Amino acid sequence: KQEVTQIPAALSVPEGENLVLNCSFTDSAIYNLQWFRQDPGKGLTSLLLIQSSQREQTSGRLNASLDKSSGRSTLYIAASQPGDSATYLCAVELTQGGSEKLVFGKGMKLTVNP
Amino acid sequence: DTEVTQTPKHLVMGMTNKKSLKCEQHMGHRAMYWYKQKAKKPPELMFVYSYEKLSINESVPSRFSPECPNSSLLNLHLHALQPEDSALYLCASSRWDRNNEQFFGPGTRLTVL
Repeated sequence: KQEVTQIPAALSVPEGENLVLNCSFTDSAIYNLQWFRQDPGKGLTSLLLIQSSQREQTSGRLNASLDKSSGRSTLYIAASQPGDSATYLCAVELTQGGSEKLVFGKGMKLTVNP
Repeated sequence: DTEVTQTPKHLVMGMTNKKSLKCEQHMGHRAMYWYKQKAKKPPELMFVYSYEKLSINESVPSRFSPECPNSSLLNLHLHALQPEDSALYLCASSRWDRNNEQFFGPGTRLTVL
């Protein structure tokens, strides 16, 4: 059974720091990996999707990498801002019965202090 | 149009009520999803529709009944719910191809009394 782990569960940093968020998964037979952010009481916002054949993706201050063989992904946030405060979730996409589904980690709550 | 919309935003219902949640997307996506999210937990997949056919049911109780009338619309019919079904219900959609990025709606906050 695929398990997705995000450690630590919470992180508090001063504004301006460069951050690395970690995600690990137990089964390397994944289709894609997707990073999301979620603000309290809101839906999920897709940040980046990395296909299984790719090593990394970049969007603005965000860079996500994927190492399937070691079962790890990292989300790098450059020059963090208070507006980056949210819960960050990673999810792996895998195949079930000919269909695809996401399995989520429990998320990491990030607080960026001004 | 690059968003997924959900109505209503909030819903309070009694255990004997029948209600429905609605989800809509106009991105031409061919897959739509229902998730349930409890406080401080990640979303849990309930149902997946691809090309308007149910492709995954994660052993969801029959008091939740999904419906996909067309490729843009997804409903979740609720009947005889329990207080523990109170949660944020999220809808998502995706292209259903190699780049299967999922886009989520804002959710419906459901409270069962």
